[in-house]
Amino acid sequence: AQKITQTQPGMFVQEKEAVTLDCTYDTSDQSYGLFWYKQPSSGEMIFLIYQGSYDEQNATEGRYSLNFQKARKSANLVISASQLGDSAMYFCAMREGFTGNQFYFGTGTSLTVIP
Amino acid sequence: GAGVSQTPSNKVTEKGKYVELRCDPISGHTALYWYRQSLGQGPEFLIYFQGTGAADDSGLPNDRFFAVRPEGSVSTLKIQRTERGDSAVYLCASSLKGGTLSYEQYFGPGTRLTVT
Repeated sequence: AQKITQTQPGMFVQEKEAVTLDCTYDTSDQSYGLFWYKQPSSGEMIFLIYQGSYDEQNATEGRYSLNFQKARKSANLVISASQLGDSAMYFCAMREGFTGNQFYFGTGTSLTVIP
Repeated sequence: GAGVSQTPSNKVTEKGKYVELRCDPISGHTALYWYRQSLGQGPEFLIYFQGTGAADDSGLPNDRFFAVRPEGSVSTLKIQRTERGDSAVYLCASSLKGGTLSYEQYFGPGTRLTVT
């Protein structure tokens, strides 16, 4: 089974609108971390936001927020007030356990912001 | 401060040749990771170093792949007898330390390897 599933290969959003990128995960661990990364066409992975499995509140970082629904095992990224520079690939990732060594990445969602 | 750097940025090699890919992590980061990213896919874990030792090499696809980090800083990923299927972008990442859930990884720009 896939550890991370991103079901939206491509998404479009109007500039200044909000957009939600979906992510579901699969783990039997009680302790895990969830991450979102942005990968522009230049190729470099840029960290956006982190959510711990024990965090009771949804994480927020500027225009990024993470809609964490533990029972549904989903960790959707919400980008508010989209900007043209937000056009990129977005990857959801998970790290398992207190000594998790590796990140499991999804297949990504390509976001295009339309002016 | 300087981020993670990787050299070369692009490498074209013939099938059967040996290649080395280099990663220079952020200063002070003890954890170092190698990933492989094929076209249209997310990064796939290869190996993790904590300090000088390979703490987890479960992602290396076969014994043609090997990585070292002799002084706990720079790491080299080595691929012997390259095959066309090895063509991908190889990403390196470093983290302040391993074993902590919340510590994010900082990625380098990657090395694009093409095996002809």
